[in-house]
Amino acid sequence: KAGVTQTPRYLIKTRGQQVTLSCSPISGHRSVSWYQQTPGQGLQFLFEYFSETQRNKGNFPGRFSGRQFSNSRSEMNVSTLELGDSALYLCASSFTSGNDEQYFGPGTRLTVT
Amino acid sequence: GENVGLHLPTLSVQEGDNSIINCAYSNSASDYFIWYKQESGKGPQFIIDIRSNMDKRQGQRVTVLLNKTVKHLSLQIAATQPGDSAVYFCAETWSGGYNKLIFGAGTRLAVHP
Repeated sequence: KAGVTQTPRYLIKTRGQQVTLSCSPISGHRSVSWYQQTPGQGLQFLFEYFSETQRNKGNFPGRFSGRQFSNSRSEMNVSTLELGDSALYLCASSFTSGNDEQYFGPGTRLTVT
Repeated sequence: GENVGLHLPTLSVQEGDNSIINCAYSNSASDYFIWYKQESGKGPQFIIDIRSNMDKRQGQRVTVLLNKTVKHLSLQIAATQPGDSAVYFCAETWSGGYNKLIFGAGTRLAVHP
């Protein structure tokens, strides 16, 4: 069974640009969550989607957005990139939207210059 | 890896010894707890979970203990191996949290041959 996949794995962008990251969950999983990981702040929750609906959102500015498609694949978008957005962006999938085992992908490493 | 430069507490053990990694959680309402292992350049890997109606749960070479009175979680690894070297995170969530995981800062485990 294939795990969670994320594309691209590495990305370099310039301040002010926008970026879209993609996540394909484990087959059959309908919940996708996104996390940002930085050395300073650790792992922080961005948002969670289940059946194309955002169920929960972390404390991030509106520049961070996401969506989920009918096949459960999810994308997150960051607009007007700032240097501080440089991070490892991780997505995790699970069967349900509540207290379920979550499995992480390898992440997308975003560098903003 | 993502944790390079982050001043994580480090637990150094000899190969074959037992390791105990501790975690204090913050939310009294949390009722589901997970331990993740993260190796350099990879996403967090699910190790073991425990729900609040349990005090102890065992897996292969790992045991998680939950003390709700003092909001403390521990991960015990038996017969630690060099392949166990990684950063370990505890995470908590709660019913109605829609899979929002709150992660601890992490502990680096270094296994010496």
